Amino acid sequence: QVQLQESGPGLVKPSQTLSLTCTVSGGSVSNGTYYWGWIRQPAGKGLEWIGRIYTSGINNYNPSLKSRVTISLDTSKNQLSLKMSSLTAADTAVYYCARVDYSDTNAFDIWGQGTMVTISS
Amino acid sequence: DIVMTQSPDSLAVSLGERATINCKSSQSLLYDSNNKNYLAWYQQKPGQPPKLLIYWASTRESGVPDRFSGGGSATDFTLTISSLQAEDVAVYYCQQYYSSVTFGQGTTVEIK
Repeated sequence: QVQLQESGPGLVKPSQTLSLTCTVSGGSVSNGTYYWGWIRQPAGKGLEWIGRIYTSGINNYNPSLKSRVTISLDTSKNQLSLKMSSLTAADTAVYYCARVDYSDTNAFDIWGQGTMVTISS
Repeated sequence: DIVMTQSPDSLAVSLGERATINCKSSQSLLYDSNNKNYLAWYQQKPGQPPKLLIYWASTRESGVPDRFSGGGSATDFTLTISSLQAEDVAVYYCQQYYSSVTFGQGTTVEIK
């Protein structure tokens, strides 16, 4: 059974760069029918899509975040990563990684538990 | 960008009664070549990640109780809980995947 686990620093200073990792177990990030995404959720608010990466390496990003975000895959470690620069307090949120099987549901069918990130000095 | 608007923002339903959530998209989510609506529904309980309930607007994910059903087409969609159970208290989100990804703002379902 595929499982996702996010990890990273819980506290980051404003203007710095956030680096998060999502480790995939029970399956391969290289599976060609999947893509992998990042979604975030500020406390008490709704879900915001950050971006996605296909196994081909093709990325798509939320236009509102595109200039600050990079998503990548590390197939040797079976991980995906998120980097977000120029952080402000508005980036404080729970960050989720999730999988899409675009040969089947085309929706986010497996999610990590999420990691809380606070942006504060 | 495709904007997803859910209504109502919250609703309170008696146990055993029907709950209906609406989701409207700013453009059609129906892909003509395969006649599929690129819409999903998720359930999120406090402290948990979202859980996929429905995809292709009306296909129930494996293991999801059959009291959950999705309907609609093009720009107007519904999620119906036919007989509300206590464990259905949650926030529900619609999401389009026709063009990139966007979520609705969420609808909170409570017990009356």
